[in-house]
Order: sequence, then C-alpha cells, then structure tokens
Amino acid sequence: QVHLVQSGAEVKKPGASVKVSCKASGYTFTSYGISWVRQAPGQGLEWMGWIDAYTGDTNYAQKLQGRVSMITDTSTSTVYMELRSLRSDDTAVYYCARDQKTTGTTDYWGQGTLVTVSS
Amino acid sequence: DVVMTQSPLSLPVTLGQPASISCRSSRSLAYSDGNTYLNWFQQRPGQSPRRLIYKVSNRDSGVPDRFSGSGSDTDFTLKISRVEAEDVGVYYCMQGTHWPLTFGGGTKVEIK
Repeated sequence: QVHLVQSGAEVKKPGASVKVSCKASGYTFTSYGISWVRQAPGQGLEWMGWIDAYTGDTNYAQKLQGRVSMITDTSTSTVYMELRSLRSDDTAVYYCARDQKTTGTTDYWGQGTLVTVSS
Repeated sequence: DVVMTQSPLSLPVTLGQPASISCRSSRSLAYSDGNTYLNWFQQRPGQSPRRLIYKVSNRDSGVPDRFSGSGSDTDFTLKISRVEAEDVGVYYCMQGTHWPLTFGGGTKVEIK
C-alpha cells in the first residue's frame, strides 16, 4: 500500500525556519510528484507547491515564493519542505500528498505535521 | 489563479436523506488532454483529507457508491444519495488543471 509518513510536530519562534520530511513507500517514488498543502487552525486547505520526485523540478505558490523550498532525496524516497522567516500565520498542519507529474490530482496524503509559530 | 467557489458553507442533513454540494470554478477546467481535473475530498474531524472523486466523476477505490460526482467546464456537483453518520465532515473540491492548484472553501456536512 501507498504510505506517506511525515516528521513530527514542531514549535518555532517567529523568524526561524522549519523543515518537514515526507517519506514515501509502496510505489515507485520517482514516477510521481509530491504536493504540499497546509491548513491553518479551523481553516480550509491551501496548496503550497509541488515537486517532481525524480527531477526535483518545483512549482511554488506565488505567496510563498522566496520563503519555501522543496527538495527530493531519491535514495531514501523522501521529500523535504522548508519554510523560512516563519510568522505566526504560518501556524498550521502541513500535509504532503502524492501527485501526478503534470496535472494536479493528489491521491494519497500524509498524516500531517503541526507547526506552531509562537514567541 | 482559478477561484473555486463552493456552496453551501454548511449542510445539515437528516440521516438517510440525500445531500448535494456545488463547486464552481472561475475558468474552464477542461485540460488539453481531454480530461477535466476536478477532485473531491472528504476531511473527517481530526483526519487528513481523503480523495473521494477524481476527474469529475471517478470514484476512488473503497469509496461507497452513494458518493457520485458530475459536471463539466466550470460547474460541478458532489452528491451523497443517502447520508450516513460516517459522512460527517468537511468536503472540498480542488482543481488540478491550472497551476497553482486551488481548493474550494469547504462545505461542512453535519447531521440534523
């Protein structure tokens, strides 16, 4: 079965960075992409960006450009998402989800990682 | 960006009765390959989103057949033929045709 397992909860101070991992199993990692989606407390879903798990090509949401990076490690089937210059409104649950190479149709999702930004 | 507008915001339903959620996009979701990348997700309280429907009307494996999706171009609908207690949660539409991917604001389904 397809599984996406994310790293644990983080508490960060404003201005710091956070790096969340997403380890994939149960499918050919390099044949898909990974999208990252976040959900602030009590709010809806917000797409953050996408990475091709094989080539490392990325596509980021405009509002996060310059603060977000996604990288892939094919040797461990793991994708990392780093968000820098954290603000209180970055407090959210961050999800990774398997996606296609071209169009967006996320199917399997990770369990989510709570990132809390607080002084 | 493509704006996805869902209605209603909240949907109280009696057990065993049907439910319908609308999703409209600000531009056509028809892709150059002939497909329309409109997906529906269910998020139960405290859980990750789960995809129910992809490409407008295709049910994911394990999804009960009381869930169905329909529509085209900019107008889409998710229907639950007979609501069960386990269907409580928030439902989101998401378009995957145009970058950036965008979600509807969500519809909360609850039991009356």
